[in-house]
Amino acid sequence: GAVVSQHPSWVICKSGTSVKIECRSLDFQATTMFWYRQFPKQSLMLMATSNEGSKATYEQGVEKDKFLINHASLTLSTLTVTSAHPEDSSFYICSASIGNQETQYFGPGTRLLVL
Amino acid sequence: RKEVEQDPGPFNVPEGATVAFNCTYSNSASQSFFWYRQDCRKEPKLLMSVYSSGNEDGRFTAQLNRASQYISLLIRDSKLSDSATYLCVVNGKAAGNKLTFGGGTRVLVKP
Repeated sequence: GAVVSQHPSWVICKSGTSVKIECRSLDFQATTMFWYRQFPKQSLMLMATSNEGSKATYEQGVEKDKFLINHASLTLSTLTVTSAHPEDSSFYICSASIGNQETQYFGPGTRLLVL
Repeated sequence: RKEVEQDPGPFNVPEGATVAFNCTYSNSASQSFFWYRQDCRKEPKLLMSVYSSGNEDGRFTAQLNRASQYISLLIRDSKLSDSATYLCVVNGKAAGNKLTFGGGTRVLVKP
């Protein structure tokens, strides 16, 4: 149980385009979903926290207009990287939690390469 | 100062040997502590939670020292499959269950 999927698993796009990444909880309802970013040889950095039906809470330094998060249902959250640039190339990982439980279930990640 | 700090390694470990490494955290109000394992190009996976009294899971032993604000992980009888990056993770529950990840300690187990 507690499986989280992400789609796509990898994407290559041209600079200036927008990319949407989906995060789905397959067998449970995720009250909260988290979006992380990991650059090579660095650790995961939390970008934002999203609760179903509410606006996402972004971490300091993360542009909310550039990284659009939608958490429209208890099983789906999306992250859209708008007008992507090469410096946005990274490994984007989502996680989901149930209620107030602290356990987070991680998706397999999406590798983004912006040319 | 980073909230969660780890020695990046790599720790080169002969197969069958024991390896141990620490992680320090800066927020004394931190509530929960975990070790995650991350393989190359994969998502992190929970290895074990760390309890105040220390806990063991097979060949893995975790300790928590609240006074000095560090946690440790010890791996006994290392296997080749233990090669990975081990992430120290701290949860400040007051911050809405947000996890703060350390930079990871890379362990390479060699035959």
